[in-house]
Amino acid sequence: QSALTQPPSVSGSPGQSVTISCTGTSDDIGSHNGVSWYQQPPGTVPKLLIYEVRNRPSGVPDRFSGSKSGNTASLTISGLQAEDEADYYCSSYTSSNTYVFGTGTEVTVL
Amino acid sequence: QVQLVESGGGLVKPGGSLRLSCSASGFNFRDYYMTWIRQAPGKGLEWIADISSSGRSISYADSVKGRFTMSRDNAKNSVSLQIDSLRAEDTAVYFCVREREYTARFDYWGQGALLTVSS
Repeated sequence: QSALTQPPSVSGSPGQSVTISCTGTSDDIGSHNGVSWYQQPPGTVPKLLIYEVRNRPSGVPDRFSGSKSGNTASLTISGLQAEDEADYYCSSYTSSNTYVFGTGTEVTVL
Repeated sequence: QVQLVESGGGLVKPGGSLRLSCSASGFNFRDYYMTWIRQAPGKGLEWIADISSSGRSISYADSVKGRFTMSRDNAKNSVSLQIDSLRAEDTAVYFCVREREYTARFDYWGQGALLTVSS
């Protein structure tokens, strides 16, 4: 199972919006809604941001939103803040009853 | 509150074996799937294996199948990961993670245990 493809880095100024793509195949993102996103600031443990494509756990700001089209999922951060600087990973359930993570994207706030 | 505490990491020579353990508390352990996820130094996350709430169903990533064995003890609220034939590329922080089965999410993570494979 190959890792899902994410851009290595994205950046934006405070207040702007950035979108991170996550591209898989018809065996994972394309056939399941088990897509989730995780935020990992430097030196910390990953934190769940989005599950089932677009749902936010309690406590996650609504600046974070998720979507999916075909084999590609996306995470959008609106109103970018300095505290959003982190690595972001997507994950998908697969048709083999396993999971696969994305390659990770570093978000920089300019 | 939910707590997951890994133990058993350390420095091991190539070809050796190691058993990682994870102690869970703060939730009804026997109702949840559990997962192991690893992260090599400076690298991304890699899903390794998961186990059903009963322990009867276990899935592994192709990259570790045959060398890694996951198990659980619901009476002791613990999960384990036995790793055999260790390789340098197994060097990573290993996270014990609670999995929500039907919504495919990893909602609570332990702090991780560092395994270093080196001669």
